[in-house]
Amino acid sequence: RKEVEQDPGPFNVPEGATVAFNCTYNNSASQSFFWYRQDCRKEPKLLMSVYSSGNEDGRFTAQLNRASQYISLLIRDSKLSDSATYLCVVKGGQGFSFIFGKGTRLLVKP
Amino acid sequence: GAVVSQHPSRVICKSGTSVKIECRSLDFQATTMFWYRQFPKQSLMLMATSNEGSKATYEQGVEKDKFLINHASLTLSTLTVTSAHPEDSSFYICSANGLAGSTDTQYFGPGTRLTVL
Repeated sequence: RKEVEQDPGPFNVPEGATVAFNCTYNNSASQSFFWYRQDCRKEPKLLMSVYSSGNEDGRFTAQLNRASQYISLLIRDSKLSDSATYLCVVKGGQGFSFIFGKGTRLLVKP
Repeated sequence: GAVVSQHPSRVICKSGTSVKIECRSLDFQATTMFWYRQFPKQSLMLMATSNEGSKATYEQGVEKDKFLINHASLTLSTLTVTSAHPEDSSFYICSANGLAGSTDTQYFGPGTRLTVL
């Protein structure tokens, strides 16, 4: 099993739809979790950190399920500009590496 | 805060030449920087972890003599692609450890697109 796994997609959704991605990880000692967004031919950019209590930033909600070892990202009221690849990132404790998932591609269509 | 710059943004060179890419943390100090490579429509591939004042740690399959990494200061790491070949053409991205709130995370530079003719 890969350390961090994501459904590569693409997820094709209409504008205004709600879409959710999951990401599973296999290291139960992982401590930090993030979602990054990467546009075509650009660098990844931090979208949000994922806290144990879950967190929300506008239309984006991230949640962590430690028992089942997955994190999720929910996007409400999708915009055309949300089209991108969403990378799940997991990190162990101090001194551990960041592990990137291969990304989930989202296409929001008019 | 947490801005990372890369230079150059794009480079075209002839086969056999060497190319140096700079990665700078502009408003914070980064004891650790990372170098990635990304081929078209593929995921990020970690090449090496660059530690200030010590040797870089290379991922399996990455030739350390071909991809020279120097991290001489807390704000600068360089990657030199030596004797570049067309198969080295790729998008090279660096990142540096920084804080998002109280959480240690990575911030990426804008990347360098290398084309070897």
